[in-house]
Amino acid sequence: QKEVEQNSGPLSVPEGAIASLNCTYSDRGSQSFFWYRQYSGKSPELIMFIYSNGDKEDGRFTAQLNKASQYVSLLIRDSQPSDSATYLCAPREGFDNQGGKLIFGQGTELSVKP
Amino acid sequence: SAVISQKPSRDICQRGTSLTIQCQVDSQVTMMFWYRQQPGQSLTLIATANQGSEATYESGFVIDKFPISRPNLTFSTLTVSNMSPEDSSIYLCSVVTVTDTQYFGPGTRLTVL
Repeated sequence: QKEVEQNSGPLSVPEGAIASLNCTYSDRGSQSFFWYRQYSGKSPELIMFIYSNGDKEDGRFTAQLNKASQYVSLLIRDSQPSDSATYLCAPREGFDNQGGKLIFGQGTELSVKP
Repeated sequence: SAVISQKPSRDICQRGTSLTIQCQVDSQVTMMFWYRQQPGQSLTLIATANQGSEATYESGFVIDKFPISRPNLTFSTLTVSNMSPEDSSIYLCSVVTVTDTQYFGPGTRLTVL
């Protein structure tokens, strides 16, 4: 059974702080990792993805990947109330990056307080 | 990115009836999937919609209950058959683009009475 574990939350941070969202996964064959944001009542929205060990930055978001530790994280700098949502970590199953199934964690609810 | 539309956006149906959900994407994609998200839960993959052939179903989902078609690269349908209140959920179409990025449609919110 391939599993993805995320902080259950809710995670509460003050506006302007850094929010850190963590995810561990069991499938050693996973090579690509996706982060989605889901507002209540809406569908998941892709934030970013990462394939290589290390950091990948996109605006206020930084994804970090450590395949040896089977760990991926998402940092949100200068958090805003509009970042309040559930964040879903989704490793792609398998040993290649092409079209495999995503395995979803339960998500971490983030609340950014003004 | 890909622009995905789903019809209907929501529906209320009677027990024992069937509903067909359509998914249309604005560009050719390599893969299409159907997910279900029950209230307060994460996403569960129902099946992979294969063009021109039978869908590939995940454990716990069967073709008789969730028939799927994908006649071309940009369109797919999911039917929820013989519905019961337990089928009340959000159904999401998802696609993988040629850049190997996966996006979700807006979802169909189904309530079964």
